[in-house]
Amino acid sequence: GAVVSQHPSWVICKSGTSVKIECRSLDFQATTMFWYRQFPKQSLMLMATSNEGSKATYEQGVEKDKFLINHASLTLSTLTVTSAHPEDSSFYICSGLAGEVRTDTQYFGPGTRLTVL
Amino acid sequence: AQKITQTQPGMFVQEKEAVTLDCTYDTSDPSYGLFWYKQPSSGEMIFLIYQGSYDQQNATEGRYSLNFQKARKSANLVISASQLGDSAMYFCAMWEPSGTYKYIFGTGTRLKVLA
Repeated sequence: GAVVSQHPSWVICKSGTSVKIECRSLDFQATTMFWYRQFPKQSLMLMATSNEGSKATYEQGVEKDKFLINHASLTLSTLTVTSAHPEDSSFYICSGLAGEVRTDTQYFGPGTRLTVL
Repeated sequence: AQKITQTQPGMFVQEKEAVTLDCTYDTSDPSYGLFWYKQPSSGEMIFLIYQGSYDQQNATEGRYSLNFQKARKSANLVISASQLGDSAMYFCAMWEPSGTYKYIFGTGTRLKVLA
């Protein structure tokens, strides 16, 4: 299967700082990338969808100014959590899609565990 | 609206035995696909198997197979010869209909394989 990496795998930061998470598709070009958030013992919650070279589409209730997404190339998308607060502590996971939405498979990164003190 | 239902929050299975994880779905689209993912405690989501609505045969991938019953709208995952490493959360997912282009996930089933 296709491989997606995420960096860092975990990060601890102070409240008020910004954190950048990278998502890379290693062996395919991801036309679309998705960013999810997962709380303990819950399913994944989609935050936003990004297509290379265009602005991300955010889900309702997700603050676009707080969660900045940049999909600069077909292999890299970044999520920046700006002015992080303890309530932003969560598991963030990205996925990449090589082909068409609605038919092809999303391949997920290993996730990033963010802890805001 | 489309939705995915996984009714088993937790399951136990003895090592080397087979186990079935249930997934039912609701959609009005004639064309759709169903995905199963495994999420071990490390957190990564591992793609296991895919079933398309027009596929003539049930999907199989190694020890994983799908019991796809279209009329009943169910796509149950069967894991044969369970191993200790199969202990994980398992999610069923499908694409939402046109216009939204996102996965819908079920609530997941936590599988524990007993030695």
